[in-house]
Amino acid sequence: GENVEQHPSTLSVQEGDSAVIKCTYSDSASNYFPWYKQELGKGPQLIIDIRSNVGEKKDQRIAVTLNKTAKHFSLHITETQPEDSAVYFCAAKGENRDDKIIFGKGTRLHILP
Amino acid sequence: KAGVTQTPRYLIKTRGQQVTLSCSPISGHRSVSWYQQTPGQGLQFLFEYFSETQRNKGNFPGRFSGRQFSNSRSEMNVSTLELGDSALYLCASSPGVVGTEAFFGQGTRLTVV
Repeated sequence: GENVEQHPSTLSVQEGDSAVIKCTYSDSASNYFPWYKQELGKGPQLIIDIRSNVGEKKDQRIAVTLNKTAKHFSLHITETQPEDSAVYFCAAKGENRDDKIIFGKGTRLHILP
Repeated sequence: KAGVTQTPRYLIKTRGQQVTLSCSPISGHRSVSWYQQTPGQGLQFLFEYFSETQRNKGNFPGRFSGRQFSNSRSEMNVSTLELGDSALYLCASSPGVVGTEAFFGQGTRLTVV
């Protein structure tokens, strides 16, 4: 079945710097890759997603890149701010309606003042 | 538009007891998925229901079960609780169409003592 590896598990960056989180997936049939942000005491919130017919997608300070050949995708956060501190999860889902979403184990991002 | 609602938010149960958790999806969404979140294992998929039918199932023992009602509300039940069942249980709703995003509730924090 699908497996999603996420790195690093913890990341500390200085406020204003960029943060990059990387994920790899095993099932070449996966074609939907969402990213979720989870703040303390809350459920995960979708922040950006990308589909396999697109190589890059950007939304203000966050961007996601996808390399289908290498089966990896990355989340980029620029000009980090204190409110970016949270746990981030990547996920992958196949093209069939019955395919389930498989999550990475998460990255705890700390923004240092 | 109301979000995903999970009840109760917190629950303390004793080993051997059983528990029922409830999830009300976003209006119009027909798919409800359940996840177990623990610090060591991340987000583990339990099962997904679509139009009252279980569409997908994760690798959890038979003590974990669920159902979905005609109004798309879903319940999950855990029988014969074990200490290791202590976790945050999250449900996510989606329209159920291929590739569409899932929206999470805030979760139910279950503690088994």
